[in-house]
Amino acid sequence: KQEVTQIPAALSVPEGENLVLNCSFTDSAIYNLQWFRQDPGKGLTSLLLIQSSQREQTSGRLNASLDKSSGRSTLYIAASQPGDSATYLCAVRYGGSQGNLIFGKGTKLSVKP
Amino acid sequence: GAVVSQHPSWVICKSGTSVKIECRSLDFQATTMFWYRQFPKQSLMLMATSNEGSKATYEQGVEKDKFLINHASLTLSTLTVTSAHPEDSSFYICSAPLRRENTEAFFGQGTRLTVV
Repeated sequence: KQEVTQIPAALSVPEGENLVLNCSFTDSAIYNLQWFRQDPGKGLTSLLLIQSSQREQTSGRLNASLDKSSGRSTLYIAASQPGDSATYLCAVRYGGSQGNLIFGKGTKLSVKP
Repeated sequence: GAVVSQHPSWVICKSGTSVKIECRSLDFQATTMFWYRQFPKQSLMLMATSNEGSKATYEQGVEKDKFLINHASLTLSTLTVTSAHPEDSSFYICSAPLRRENTEAFFGQGTRLTVV
């Protein structure tokens, strides 16, 4: 069964800290992996997309890594800000370019000013 | 980036009535769209895959007669919750992948359905 797990479920940090969110998946035959941000009651905003052949992607203060063989991805957030407070979701795509995404339950991040 | 628009963003309806949710790809064609459901503090769960011009594919446990999906054009898919009950209250969100190799998934804003 293909499952995606995110640890921790919740995280609270003071402003300015660097932090790491973890995502693990049981089936390593992924097509790609995507990190999203979800604000309360809102839709999803795509943050980073990593293809199965890639090791990492960077966008601004965000860096996502992928280790397909061990079934893990991390999202690194540098110099966190209160505006980063949201739920971060990891999703893995299987079955090719039009395949479904399987989501983790997310990590709820709170950055205190 | 590509935009997926979902309407309405929230709706309150009475038990027994039907509610239609629209999902539109605004600047690209989507032969496939996905409909997800999210319960409070839970992750998104795929309900069905909407295919333009053909029948939708439903996930196990999802009643196709209750959640009617129509994908009549390359830019529009609709989800109709028929004979809604309070247990159908949830957050519904659609997604459309781009038809290119990197297939980044784009999501609508979601619809908060409350059945009273």
